[in-house]
Amino acid sequence: QSALTQPPSASGSPGQSVAISCTGTSSDVGGYNYVSWYQQHPGKAPKLMIYEVSKRPSGVPDRFSGSKSGNTASLTVSGLQAEDEADYYCSSYAGSNNRVVFGGGTKLTVL
Amino acid sequence: QLQLQESGPGLVKPSETLSLTCTVSGGSISSNSYYWGWIRQPPGKGLEWIGTIYYSGSTYYNPSLRSRVTMSVDTSKNQFSLRLSSVTAADTAVYYCARHGGSYLTYFDYWGQGTLVTVSS
Repeated sequence: QSALTQPPSASGSPGQSVAISCTGTSSDVGGYNYVSWYQQHPGKAPKLMIYEVSKRPSGVPDRFSGSKSGNTASLTVSGLQAEDEADYYCSSYAGSNNRVVFGGGTKLTVL
Repeated sequence: QLQLQESGPGLVKPSETLSLTCTVSGGSISSNSYYWGWIRQPPGKGLEWIGTIYYSGSTYYNPSLRSRVTMSVDTSKNQFSLRLSSVTAADTAVYYCARHGGSYLTYFDYWGQGTLVTVSS
């Protein structure tokens, strides 16, 4: 069982927007602005898409955005494209015991 | 461009110790105060943080694996390593090394390609 809770699946049609949630506790997501999101295509290493809740690394399209409210963080993908179909994982710094925690992952399908 | 490459045996017997090394190229492992981590992913499952090391040797481990994990760093070779003892089939996974991009145990911005380690007799 993962420390952070994500829906196992999400879907949307090309051009639509989809949001993926990531729920933790006040000890991780809610307690720090260190939530990050990763995209993983089959057989590939994860790729950083969002860090520190809402910041985008260079090269990541602005169609990807992140936010947080309380103990829940969200990744929104706008203007869905076929190449966005992948698994998405959230992660957070978790303070006590100096831990890093991940969500169980969400499979995004572009219909 | 920073690159990370995992290396080590792809097959380990149950009860033995898994040993992997991550070689960093395109940058110094001891520069700019970066932290370096190991993450694993069992086949068909999600990501699990194993632990993180600083170039000085300070280590931070996942509490669920702490009793079996040892990480070390060799700045002269620009490498850091993972040892996981008393392995079982549940330790079969793709093992990734990665760099924490920000301060301390924050996000991972550079990842290795991953290496599959199978635990089987």
